[in-house]
Amino acid sequence: AQSVTQPDIHITVSEGASLELRCNYSYGATPYLFWYVQSPGQGLQLLLKYFSGDTLVQGIKGFEAEFKRSQSSFNLRKPSVHWSDAAEYFCAVATNNAGNMLTFGGGTRLMVKP
Amino acid sequence: KAGVTQTPRYLIKTRGQQVTLSCSPISGHRSVSWYQQTPGQGLQFLFEYFSETQRNKGNFPGRFSGRQFSNSRSEMNVSTLELGDSALYLCASRLGGQGQETQYFGPGTRLLVL
Repeated sequence: AQSVTQPDIHITVSEGASLELRCNYSYGATPYLFWYVQSPGQGLQLLLKYFSGDTLVQGIKGFEAEFKRSQSSFNLRKPSVHWSDAAEYFCAVATNNAGNMLTFGGGTRLMVKP
Repeated sequence: KAGVTQTPRYLIKTRGQQVTLSCSPISGHRSVSWYQQTPGQGLQFLFEYFSETQRNKGNFPGRFSGRQFSNSRSEMNVSTLELGDSALYLCASRLGGQGQETQYFGPGTRLLVL
């Protein structure tokens, strides 16, 4: 069965600093990978996804992520964080074996210092 | 195009009662999935419906059930509520074609069981 690990439960960065959120997955074949963001009391908004092709994918709000098969990782990055980026971020994986069922990591809560 | 809508947004029930939650997918989307989000277990897949048929089911007891109507709207029902059923219930819709597709989430229904 597939699994997703987000090693950092909380991260605090200063506004304007760069950001990297880690995501590792466990699955034998090529997974389909997603990053979602959740603001307090809200649903999940898709930031970006990787299905195939170029391993560096661009998303909304200036986010990007890189798929590294050798490291089973799909880390999310942003060069300059804004205060409005404070939220919880979830990495998710879907596999052909499980149809379109998403398996989520535990989430990383991002706090932004002024 | 309107997004995924869920009603009600908030709900308070007592143990032993039953509850029905509703989800209207994005227009043209034929697949609806349900997820449960709790602080302890995170985001977990409940089930997916496509063309009024359950396609996939997560590891939840039979008290959790769902259905989908011909207009793709979906309901989920939880019978004999337990305190542990307190959670944010998220609905996601997708087009429903073959292969992997992006799932778009609604704002969720927050259920509190007393």
